[in-house]
Amino acid sequence: NAGVTQTPKFQVLKTGQSMTLQCAQDMNHNSMYWYRQDPGMGLRLIYYSASEGTTDKGEVPNGYNVSRLNKREFSLRLESAAPSQTSVYFCASGRSLMSELFFGSGTQLSVL
Amino acid sequence: GQQLNQSPQSMFIQEGEDVSMNCTSSSIFNTWLWYKQDPGEGPVLLIALYKAGELTSNGRLTAQFGITRKDSFLNISASIPSDVGIYFCAGQRFNAGNNRKLIWGLGTSLAVNP
Repeated sequence: NAGVTQTPKFQVLKTGQSMTLQCAQDMNHNSMYWYRQDPGMGLRLIYYSASEGTTDKGEVPNGYNVSRLNKREFSLRLESAAPSQTSVYFCASGRSLMSELFFGSGTQLSVL
Repeated sequence: GQQLNQSPQSMFIQEGEDVSMNCTSSSIFNTWLWYKQDPGEGPVLLIALYKAGELTSNGRLTAQFGITRKDSFLNISASIPSDVGIYFCAGQRFNAGNNRKLIWGLGTSLAVNP
């Protein structure tokens, strides 16, 4: 049982480049989330999707877009990467907005 | 955004010692969750608490949902080297309209000296 799978594991971008982080879950969960983790800042919510077909902004949505492609997949896109977006990104899923979350293993992103 | 006050920020202990950490908030929560994050991995759920006063164990870990519903505690007994990692608390309120997202503490970094 894979749980939450994120790709890629590591990525280096130049300022201004774009990329998409992929996330898929096989637990039939309704809710999916994207977080970023920075030293001393804990986990900050970027965007979330309460159910297939809906997405909402979290605490720090600026510079990001998301797509809930289907129930399994939730992608995060950086249209024009900035050094401030250097971070570790985690995808998570839960049965509902009121459920505990299950996390992927993260994507380490560096923007030069 | 709102965050929980989690303490201590870091701990360095000897193997075999007991560990205590806690989270406090100015708001009332309906759910408290405790996660552990190993280096290079995502957080993994350790214990979930759903009722004020609830005391729940998972092996050597015990967590409590505070009576005031504004705090929670995690204890680890007889620590071992694999307990090393960052421990996060997270709380959730259900009476805030659409705002039912988890609110996170900043983590307690635990180091265990064998």
